[in-house]
This record gives sequence, structure tokens and C-alpha cells, in this order.
Amino acid sequence: QSVLTQPPSASGTAGQGVTISCSGSDSNIGSNSVNWYQHLPGMAPKVLIYNTNQRPSGVPDRFSGSKSGTSASLAISGLQSEDEADYYCATYSEPYWKTPNGVVFGGGTKLTVL
Amino acid sequence: QVHLVQSGAEVKKPGASVKVSCKASGYNFATYDINWVRQPKGQGLEWMGWMNPDNGKTGYAQKFQGRVTLTRDTSINTAYMELSGLRSEDTAVYYCAREARTGTHFDYWGQGTLVTVSS
Repeated sequence: QSVLTQPPSASGTAGQGVTISCSGSDSNIGSNSVNWYQHLPGMAPKVLIYNTNQRPSGVPDRFSGSKSGTSASLAISGLQSEDEADYYCATYSEPYWKTPNGVVFGGGTKLTVL
Repeated sequence: QVHLVQSGAEVKKPGASVKVSCKASGYNFATYDINWVRQPKGQGLEWMGWMNPDNGKTGYAQKFQGRVTLTRDTSINTAYMELSGLRSEDTAVYYCAREARTGTHFDYWGQGTLVTVSS
């Protein structure tokens, strides 16, 4: 059972948009920024969004992140077939610095592009 | 260019220990914390702990306290994760990941090491 709750699956038509949610609590999402990782089968995870809404260089602006209270969202616009992957949200759990409840992940959302 | 290259797949018997390595290149190894994350088959990502390569300081997820040990050899820019008392539920892909300078996320990941625990 993951600390952060994500829908197990999501889907969207190529060219359309989709939003993946991540629900937590005051002690994790409510207190910290959120990161999103994309995980393709057989590959290393890759950071898509950090600090809730920042994109690393090289990540298309089709990907965006937001947060409200104890929930966060990853929005993907203009879906492409290569976006088919597992997506994980992650944050820190208070008290954090630097461990006691450490880094927490969502259970992951498998995105299918129709 | 930053690279984290991990050691190869392992098969271990229940009760044994495994030690996975993560060799860093392309940056100053001592200045970025290394974290370890695993993915059991069919499940999501699970954080295990972190290590400061400069001073060797570590922190472990409560679930793995007493069973995991993170170490490093700065002479060869390599971090290690050792997990003891292996059980079948420890069958997973284990990843090392570099923590960004801001300390907010993992910016580079190793390719993963499959550890299979089977009698």
C-alpha cells in the first residue's frame, strides 16, 4: 500500500490531453513539493516534473505539474504514443530532514495512448 | 555526461545477502547524495535510503532498517547497497539515483539491477 494514492490506469487518445492525480496528506504533499517520474519498461525512471511544476531541460512543455492542498496533478497535452509509460508521483514525508519518514512514492499510473 | 552504471543481475537464496554496485562518472561523485529505490515485480517504486558519498552519512527507510547498508568507495566513484536476510519479497529491480543539488528530486538514475531471491 503506497503512501501516495494514484489511479492505477489512465488513457487518452493521441493528440488529446490527460491528467493523472496524486493524493496525499498534510505530512507529505501538503508540506512539500512534488516530483513526477516517467518509467518506461526496462528503462531507468526519468524525472518529468520537479518542485511541483518545474520541467528539466529536454522535457517538452506538453508536461505540466500542479498542486493544491494535499493533492497534485500531472497534465499531459497532445498525447503521443511514446508517452505510454508508468508515471509516479513522489515527495517527502515529514518529519524529513533527513530521513525519518523519507521519500514516498505513489503506486504508479499506467498510461495508455489509444 | 552523467552516468550511473550498476552491476549485473543476481540470483540469491533466501537468507543470503546481496551487494549491488553503482559506478558514477561525469561529475564530482562526492558532491551529490546517492539514493536507492527498488521496484518489486508488478509493483511500484519504493525508496530504500540515501548516502552522502563525501562523509558516508546514511539514512534508511524504516522498512529496511537493520537489513540494508549503504556504503561507498570514493577512490573508484562507486556506491554500494547491501541487503541482508533476503526473502522472496525482495525480488525486485534495484536502482541507484543521484539526488539533485537542490535536494528536491532524483535527476539521474542507474539502469537497474534485477535481484532474484529463490530457493
